[in-house]
Amino acid sequence: ELKVEQNPLFLSMQEGKNYTIYCNYSTTSDRLYWYRQDPGKSLESLFVLLSNGAVKQEGRLMASLDTKARLSTLHITAAVHDLSATYFCAVDGDLGGNEKLTFGTGTRLTIIP
Amino acid sequence: GAGVSQSPSNKVTEKGKDVELRCDPISGHTALYWYRQRLGQGLEFLIYFQGNSAPDKSGLPSDRFSAERTGESVSTLTIQRTQQEDSAVYLCASSLVGVDTQYFGPGTRLTVL
Repeated sequence: ELKVEQNPLFLSMQEGKNYTIYCNYSTTSDRLYWYRQDPGKSLESLFVLLSNGAVKQEGRLMASLDTKARLSTLHITAAVHDLSATYFCAVDGDLGGNEKLTFGTGTRLTIIP
Repeated sequence: GAGVSQSPSNKVTEKGKDVELRCDPISGHTALYWYRQRLGQGLEFLIYFQGNSAPDKSGLPSDRFSAERTGESVSTLTIQRTQQEDSAVYLCASSLVGVDTQYFGPGTRLTVL
């Protein structure tokens, strides 16, 4: 059974600081997703990572994937308040097709002014 | 074009009643997914439809849960004889072909009293 673990579960950081959220998964996968969820809202797609060594950046967020280590990271650079949200990674455990995603438990990020 | 839409946005019901939740996917998306998100938790996969293939029902938690999809359009998730543990946000997502990012609807918040 595919398991996806994120850490930390809760993260409170000051504006302007850098931090990294980690996502570990237990079985081989050919794609990994990062989503953002604001309170009371649905999920917004941030990144999809398709291969070992993939790196994608959007604004202050950068995601990377190491399929050998079964690890993805979401790095936040010079955090600003509007990045406060819950971030989920999700893994497609079925090679060759996008079927059900297995989600991590989420990292609730709070940026303090 | 329009994103994924879901109705109702909120549903309060009494224990033992049946409920129907509706999802309208993005036009042209052949794949449709239902997930459940309990308060403060990640998403649990429920069911997946892809074109005319038999749905993947492996995530449905009990036989009280069922879902249908008409062609490549609307889907309904039905929960019979609701229980308090069914209280959650039910999220629908759709994607192209089955190998693309899943786009999520706003969810239906179900409360079983």
